[in-house]
Amino acid sequence: AQSVSQHNHHVILSEAASLELGCNYSYGGTVNLFWYVQYPGQHLQLLLKYFSGDPLVKGIKGFEAEFIKSKFSFNLRKPSVQWSDTAEYFCAVNTGGYQKVTFGTGTKLQVIP
Amino acid sequence: DGGITQSPKYLFRKEGQNVTLSCEQNLNHDAMYWYRQDPGQGLRLIYYSQIVNDFQKGDIAEGYSVSREKKESFPLTVTSAQKNPTAFYLCASSTGGRVSNQPQHFGDGTRLSIL
Repeated sequence: AQSVSQHNHHVILSEAASLELGCNYSYGGTVNLFWYVQYPGQHLQLLLKYFSGDPLVKGIKGFEAEFIKSKFSFNLRKPSVQWSDTAEYFCAVNTGGYQKVTFGTGTKLQVIP
Repeated sequence: DGGITQSPKYLFRKEGQNVTLSCEQNLNHDAMYWYRQDPGQGLRLIYYSQIVNDFQKGDIAEGYSVSREKKESFPLTVTSAQKNPTAFYLCASSTGGRVSNQPQHFGDGTRLSIL
């Protein structure tokens, strides 16, 4: 069965610091990868996704993620965070054929002004 | 605006009672999902439906039931058999039917508490 690990549960950064959130999955076949974000008081929304092609994916609000197949990883990055990036971030994966999606446990990011 | 509507936002249940959470979407999506979100555990899949009149158990289906009689509706019933029902419940939908690379759209959630 597929699984997703997010090792950072709570991250605190100052504004302008660089961000990298880890995401590792366990599945040897073709995967589709997603990062979702949940801002305080808002619903979950898609940040970026990878299906195929260029392993470096750019999303909204300056976020990007790199798919490294050999490491089974899909880490999320942002060069300079803002206070408005304070949110909970979820990595998700599904495998070909069905719509079942597995989510990681989430990382709470707190950005201090 | 198109989207997913979950109701009610807050729900209280007495022990031993069944309760039904509503989820409606007007996005014309084929697939719909129910997740449970608990602190530190992320989102766990309860049930999903790829098409009308079809649904599959997710990872934590015990104590829950669903129906998918209409494309736009996917209600979740939390039965008295669910031992720890207090949680935040999220409904989602996506397009594509059996195509698995489509992102999900989420509702605002229902917070269920046991009295």
